Amino acid sequence: GNSVTQMEGPVTLSEEAFLTINCTYTATGYPSLFWYVQYPGEGLQLLLKATKADDKGSNKGFEATYRKETTSFHLEKGSVQVSDSAVYFCALETGGTSYGKLTFGQGTILTVHP
Amino acid sequence: GAVVSQHPSRVICKSGTSVKIECRSLDFQATTMFWYRQFPKQSLMLMATSNEGSKATYEQGVEKDKFLINHASLTLSTLTVTSAHPEDSSFYICSPLLGETQYFGPGTRLLVL
Repeated sequence: GNSVTQMEGPVTLSEEAFLTINCTYTATGYPSLFWYVQYPGEGLQLLLKATKADDKGSNKGFEATYRKETTSFHLEKGSVQVSDSAVYFCALETGGTSYGKLTFGQGTILTVHP
Repeated sequence: GAVVSQHPSRVICKSGTSVKIECRSLDFQATTMFWYRQFPKQSLMLMATSNEGSKATYEQGVEKDKFLINHASLTLSTLTVTSAHPEDSSFYICSPLLGETQYFGPGTRLLVL
């Protein structure tokens, strides 16, 4: 079956530090890959996505590249801000009859200090 | 962006009682609704998929008689946990689908004593 593995947190960084959150996946076929972010007290929001190999998703300074050869979709940001403190979820969707059905990683808590 | 609300945000109930969780899409209509469950320090797990006016489709291992889903309108879906037991304590999240974009409610934390 499908699965997503994220690096365990929590991750604590100082403002302007470089961020990497690792994500690897196992899936049949060619999944679409997503990063979702959940701010305190709010629902998950789509941060970025990539639908095919070598695609790079980007948003709000965050980037992730779909690497089929390593089955990875690592999230990066060059300079984090305090406002980036949240829980980050990596997810995949295989489409077809599973359209819209997401398989999530366990989430990584990020805390950014001033 | 699209706004999704869940009510209640948290609930504590006694074992054996039933709890209803409401999910509303406040500014859009969703023909498809997903319900997820999240145990502490674990990932979100899909429980069921419902389409407006149709019976829900449950994932393997999810008891359809225990987790009753009603999607009677395009803006409201409910999840009822019947005869709740302590092992049902979890974080329940609804996710309406609008076009190709999934939105998520803020979640409902259920604690069964």
